[in-house]
Order: sequence, then C-alpha cells, then structure tokens
Amino acid sequence: GAGVSQSPRYKVAKRGQDVALRCDPISGHVSLFWYQQALGQGPEFLTYFQNEAQLDKSGLPSDRFFAERPEGSVSTLKIQRTQQEDSAVYLCASSLIGDRNTEAFFGQGTRLTVV
Amino acid sequence: AQTVTQSQPEMSVQEAETVTLSCTYDTSESDYYLFWYKQPPSRQMILVIRQEAYKQQNATENRFSVNFQKAAKSFSLKISDSQLGDAAMYFCALKTSYDKVIFGPGTSLSVIP
Repeated sequence: GAGVSQSPRYKVAKRGQDVALRCDPISGHVSLFWYQQALGQGPEFLTYFQNEAQLDKSGLPSDRFFAERPEGSVSTLKIQRTQQEDSAVYLCASSLIGDRNTEAFFGQGTRLTVV
Repeated sequence: AQTVTQSQPEMSVQEAETVTLSCTYDTSESDYYLFWYKQPPSRQMILVIRQEAYKQQNATENRFSVNFQKAAKSFSLKISDSQLGDAAMYFCALKTSYDKVIFGPGTSLSVIP
C-alpha cells in the first residue's frame, strides 16, 4: 500500500474487554514498531519486530499486552482485560530496515478509549 | 538511559515570521540520529528533518533548519516564513540503536494569521 495503515481508527472498549489493533506496514518493510501515545504526550516505545521476530518488547507495560507479526507483514497488538489507563493512541511505524538512518513511516494510529 | 527534553509545551508565531523550538537530549552513545517530527491533528507523524551526530553541518530542508550543538546536546528547530499549515505538535526524537526512537514530550505550535 501507499502508507502504513492502522485499523480501527477509533475503538471504545468496556473495562475488562479484550481488544486487537491491526497494523498493515508498507509492503517490503522489514522493521515494525508499536508506540503508545497518551493524551498530550510523546509516543512511548512498546515493541519492535524485524520480519516475524519480536526483537524488543521491553516497552510493553504489562503482560496484558501482546504483539505478534506471524508472517512478517501485518502485525496485531492485543490488549487483554483493558483498563482505563490503557486509553491512548497506539501508533504503528515501519521501515525498510532498522538502521539508525532509516526513516520510519507512521500510521495514523488507533485511538483507544476504555470506559 | 536516553532522554529527550522539550521545555516549551506551547509556542506561537505570526504567519511569515520565524520561530525556534528547543530540544535537549542525553545519551552515552557517540553515533546517533536526531529527528524532528510533526504531528498535525490527523495524528499522522511526519518526518520534518534529520541530523546525523557525526556531521558538523546543520541540516536544512527548505524552510526548516536545525542548530545542532553536540557538546551541549542541544538540537533546536528553526521554522522560517511560518505558514498556517505549520501548526501542529512537534516532537524531537533520538535514535541510537536499531530498534527504537525516543521521543520528547512535544511542543504545540500555533500560527497566528
């Protein structure tokens, strides 16, 4: 596709509900990143994939958060038993490789509201 | 640990004027990249300009330029001839290793017609 696509754009979940957020990276991009952006703050790193391998998940805030990229393209971020503090925009980014110089292209994010 | 600090939560500029957004960072790495990203209300994060740490020359992209002071760990963004479309959140960011970009808290820029 032309850019990184995320779905849904908006998600309202009741506390305790499980949610799944999807990211379609740019075709051919090896690296994929997930970020969490709370209201009025900068994005915080969650996890990183190189192809299907999850190389860094140090930013995942709890074991309720799980990310996968089974075939090295589409990625899903799953949040189990959602809580109000999970309300945020979840941004996905992809890049050709994970080199320092490589530009990461961002999707428009999924705004999750937990009520 | 890597950190990025933006001390100006909000800034405003008159249309056609110049504005400078501040950023300081901390890292023990010697090779890294610095970025400025723009995030309009659409939430799309757009790369504005990048600077490689070992390059002395300040990066420039049309109306956007940086003042990179490596010893002071300072990386400010100058926007010249400000336009209404420049209004957005601006994030300073640091990338040292392959796997993550560390973002600052952002500066909200308003452009006054």
